[in-house]
Amino acid sequence: QSALTQPASVSGSPGQSITISCSGTSSDVGGDNYVSWYQLHPGKAPKLMIYVVTNRPLGVSDRFSGSKSGNTASLTISGLRAEDEADYYCSSFTSSSTQVFGTGTKVTVL
Amino acid sequence: QVQLQQWGAGLLKPSETLSLTCAVYGGPFSGYFWSWIRQPPGKGLEWIGEINHSGDTNYNPSLKRRVTISVDTSKKQVSLRLRSVTAADTAVYYCARMPRGYYAQDSWGQGTLVTVSS
Repeated sequence: QSALTQPASVSGSPGQSITISCSGTSSDVGGDNYVSWYQLHPGKAPKLMIYVVTNRPLGVSDRFSGSKSGNTASLTISGLRAEDEADYYCSSFTSSSTQVFGTGTKVTVL
Repeated sequence: QVQLQQWGAGLLKPSETLSLTCAVYGGPFSGYFWSWIRQPPGKGLEWIGEINHSGDTNYNPSLKRRVTISVDTSKKQVSLRLRSVTAADTAVYYCARMPRGYYAQDSWGQGTLVTVSS
């Protein structure tokens, strides 16, 4: 299985909105709505930000939102803050009952 | 608040077997899938596989022939064994919980750095 494709980096100024894309195939992202997003800060365990495309776990800010169109999913961060600077990974379950992660995106707050 | 605590050998030689265990505290064990995920230094996340309390497993096809994930429900523990390791298996290994219907991991262990070096 191939990793999902994400941009290597995305940046924005405080208060702006940014969007991270996650491209896959009809066998993963484009299949069932099993796309999730994780935030990784250096030296810390990943944190789930979005699951099943659009759902936020309890405690995750509503500045984070997810969407999907065809074989591409997206994570939007609104009102960008310094603490949002981190690596972000998308993930999807596949038609083979496996899970695949994206290549990762480094978000920089200018 | 569920906590996942993991442990295992941090330094291995090529061809040895990686062995990690993850214990679940403060939450139920049944009704979840338990995953192993790794991140090599400077690289992205890689899903290794998962198991539920009944022992049903799914594995990453690229690792399947070397991986065994097992469960001990009486101890609320999940274990990972990866045979014939090479330097390419050097990574931080995480155990994580996946609630039913989430198709995502909502709680993670602290991570264990495993280095393979001769």
